[in-house]
Formats: sequence, structure tokens, C-alpha cells
Amino acid sequence: GQNIDQPTEMTATEGAIVQINCTYQTSGFNGLFWYQQHAGEAPTFLSYNVLDGLEEKGRFSSFLSRSKGYSYLLLKELQMKDSASYLCAVRDGATNKLIFGTGTLLAVQP
Amino acid sequence: NAGVTQTPKFRVLKTGQSMTLLCAQDMNHEYMYWYRQDPGMGLRLIHYSVGEGTTAKGEVPDGYNVSRLKKQNFLLGLESAAPSQTSVYFCASSYVRQNNQPQHFGDGTRLSIL
Repeated sequence: GQNIDQPTEMTATEGAIVQINCTYQTSGFNGLFWYQQHAGEAPTFLSYNVLDGLEEKGRFSSFLSRSKGYSYLLLKELQMKDSASYLCAVRDGATNKLIFGTGTLLAVQP
Repeated sequence: NAGVTQTPKFRVLKTGQSMTLLCAQDMNHEYMYWYRQDPGMGLRLIHYSVGEGTTAKGEVPDGYNVSRLKKQNFLLGLESAAPSQTSVYFCASSYVRQNNQPQHFGDGTRLSIL
């Protein structure tokens, strides 16, 4: 079957580092995406991983281990505006469709 | 550059009414998608299209129909609205020639069925 797991909620402090984990089980794998979604707004693309390892983009980094079915999104130097939901999505290799997790709601506190 | 535009942004319907949600993209993307987002459920694919004149069912297609008469437009129809269709609907589009191309989302349509 297809399943993506993320923590429902996380809390972190402004200026700190937070890691949001995502584990997945799909019938095939053809890439993993992270999206950010502020309340009442559209999801916006953050990062893409298809090979094992770390992809860095400014304050945001994303890691993938295909053998473990595991990814994480690392947010550094947290800012209040980083308070949002973070969606993990896997592209199923058989259908090429995106399968989304339920999202992790991150609250950044002063 | 507008990206993906959805209309309307909000709508309240009575059970049994019909309506059409419009999605327009100006990025010349081949693929277009309709999702619904419900609390605790994540984004679920309703229908999608791989090109003008073609549509296919997603994960939760029942009660919805779609049409893609022009490459830039993707319409989602509810023939007889039910309270279970109360949700936030997102349209997205993407290229498919390269796997690393993400889906771009519209701002959503908030639909309430009474």
C-alpha cells in the first residue's frame, strides 16, 4: 500500500533549528517533495530529492534515504514567518502521481 | 505572471445544487490536477489531466467531473453537491518532461455545502 507519515505538530523557538521527519511506503519511488503551506494559502514548493543525500537551499535543507524510506526537512535560524504546515509528498514510480502526507504544523515561538 | 488562478475563491451551496470551479494556468504546463484538502486528511487527488482533451481519475473521483478543452484551463464540476464535498479545493499544474519539476498550486476555493 501507500503510506506517508509525518508528525502532526511541532513547536520550536525563534532562532533555533528544527527537523521535520517523513517516512514513506509506496509501490514505487520517483522523487520526494517538500512544500510549505501557510494557513489559508496555497502550498509552495520548497525542495526536491530523488537521490540519497542532503540538498541545501539557504536556511532549508532536505535529506533522503531511499533504502530506509525516510526524509527530513531541516529549518535553520527559525523565524516567526516559518510558522506553517510542511507537507511531504512522494511521487509514486508506478503512477507518477504525488502522494501527500497529512502535513506537520510547525509553531515558532519567540 | 499570474501562475495558477482559481475562481471562485469562496462559495456556499445548498445540497443538490451544481457548480463549476475554474482553474487557469499561464505557464504552458501539460499536466493539471484537482485536489481536495480536509483536516487530518492531507491533499487528495480528485482528477487530473495529462494534456488537452484528456482526463483521468485520481484517488477520490466520485461525485466530480472534469474537462480540459483548452491546455490552459481545467474545470471541476459538482453535478449534485453533498455536504461531504465541503472542503478546500486546490488546482495545480506542472511540466512532466523533467522529474524535478514541482506542481504549482492555485490559492484554493473554499466550498461549503449546506
